[in-house]
Amino acid sequence: AQSVSQHNHHVILSEAASLELGCNYSYGGTVNLFWYVQYPGQHLQLLLKYFSGDPLVKGIKGFEAEFIKSKFSFNLRKPSVQWSDTAEYFCAVNAGGNNRLAFGKGNQVVVIP
Amino acid sequence: DAGVIQSPRHEVTEMGQEVTLRCKPISGHNSLFWYRQTMMRGLELLIYFNNNVPIDDSGMPEDRFSAKMPNASFSTLKIQPSEPRDSAVYFCASSLRLAAYNEQFFGPGTRLTVL
Repeated sequence: AQSVSQHNHHVILSEAASLELGCNYSYGGTVNLFWYVQYPGQHLQLLLKYFSGDPLVKGIKGFEAEFIKSKFSFNLRKPSVQWSDTAEYFCAVNAGGNNRLAFGKGNQVVVIP
Repeated sequence: DAGVIQSPRHEVTEMGQEVTLRCKPISGHNSLFWYRQTMMRGLELLIYFNNNVPIDDSGMPEDRFSAKMPNASFSTLKIQPSEPRDSAVYFCASSLRLAAYNEQFFGPGTRLTVL
């Protein structure tokens, strides 16, 4: 079964700092990759996704993620965070063309003004 | 668009009681997913439907859990009898069509507490 690993469950940083959240998955075939975000009190929403083409994906609110097939990774980045980026971030993987999304356990990110 | 609607938002019940969670997907979406989120296990897919038909229920933890989708605009997840270990946030999500690359749109979740 596919699994998704997210490290550093709790991240605290100051505004304008750079953010990188790691995501690794365990599946050797074709994958579709997603990052979802859950702002305080809100529902999960899509930040960005990759399913083919350019491995560097741009998402909403200045986020981007890079798919590195050889490393089984899909790390999320933002060069300069804002207080409004305080949220929980989830990496999700859909592997082998099935329709099951496997989620990581999430990264709780707190941005201090 | 109202998005995915779930009710109730919060449910507190006693062990042994029946619990029914409800979901209304986004109009026009033909796939619906039920997830459970706990601190220990994170977000887990329980079951999903395509065109109102259950496709994969391998994530349903045990026979106490059942889900139905009688029509394209309504689904229920039932737990009978409920147990304290069922306490979690239950999310419903829908997508336009069943495809591996399609975005799933999530509802606000139902926070279930079983005493």
